[in-house]
Amino acid sequence: EEQLVESGGGLVPPGGSLRLSCAVSGFSVSTTYMAWVRQAPGKGLQCVSVLLTSGVTYYAGSVKGRSTISRDTSKNTVYLQMSGLRPEDTAVYYCAREGSAEGAFDLWGQGTMLTVAS
Amino acid sequence: EIVLAQSPGTLSLSPGERATLSCRASQSVSSNYLAWYQHKPGQAPRLLIYDVSRRATGIPDRFSGSGSGTDFTLTISRLEPEDFAVYYCQQFGSLPSWTFGQGTKVEIK
Repeated sequence: EEQLVESGGGLVPPGGSLRLSCAVSGFSVSTTYMAWVRQAPGKGLQCVSVLLTSGVTYYAGSVKGRSTISRDTSKNTVYLQMSGLRPEDTAVYYCAREGSAEGAFDLWGQGTMLTVAS
Repeated sequence: EIVLAQSPGTLSLSPGERATLSCRASQSVSSNYLAWYQHKPGQAPRLLIYDVSRRATGIPDRFSGSGSGTDFTLTISRLEPEDFAVYYCQQFGSLPSWTFGQGTKVEIK
């Protein structure tokens, strides 16, 4: 069964750092685009980062320079390293796959909550 | 960057009624890369429609998508109790970029 399971969220003070993980099962992370999409409290969805199969990365302007997306093929896991965290980074972070539906995310995890507060 | 504007913000309907949701793009959406998602509280978003009108695997045929250029529509022909949720449109464009609309909440009247 194809599945995405996020972990690594929690409470972090402003200016802090953390790494979110997305454990993948049922397919290889190196064969599809993988993304992190977040939803702040009471807000809509925002794509914050995408890792292409080529290794090219995309970042939303709001996290560019503060975030790094990567993958470990031996662990079949995708990561989002975030630093310089701000209260506005508070959100549920979802891992998502752009698979057979080009340009769309056809598989999602349940999400992990990140709260940035002192 | 293309901005997607969804309307209405909230749609109040009864089970069995037809729902029509709109998504308008600030520029033409390239190669018809326009998708729709359903999102319920505490759950993962679910892909309903991609490439404007293709239903994702397992999506019932009461869900349909249409449109081109800058104007797109998601139609739910007859609302079932499980269809009350928030719906987002999303486009994929050059650079590359992936952007979502602000969402339409479909609530029980």
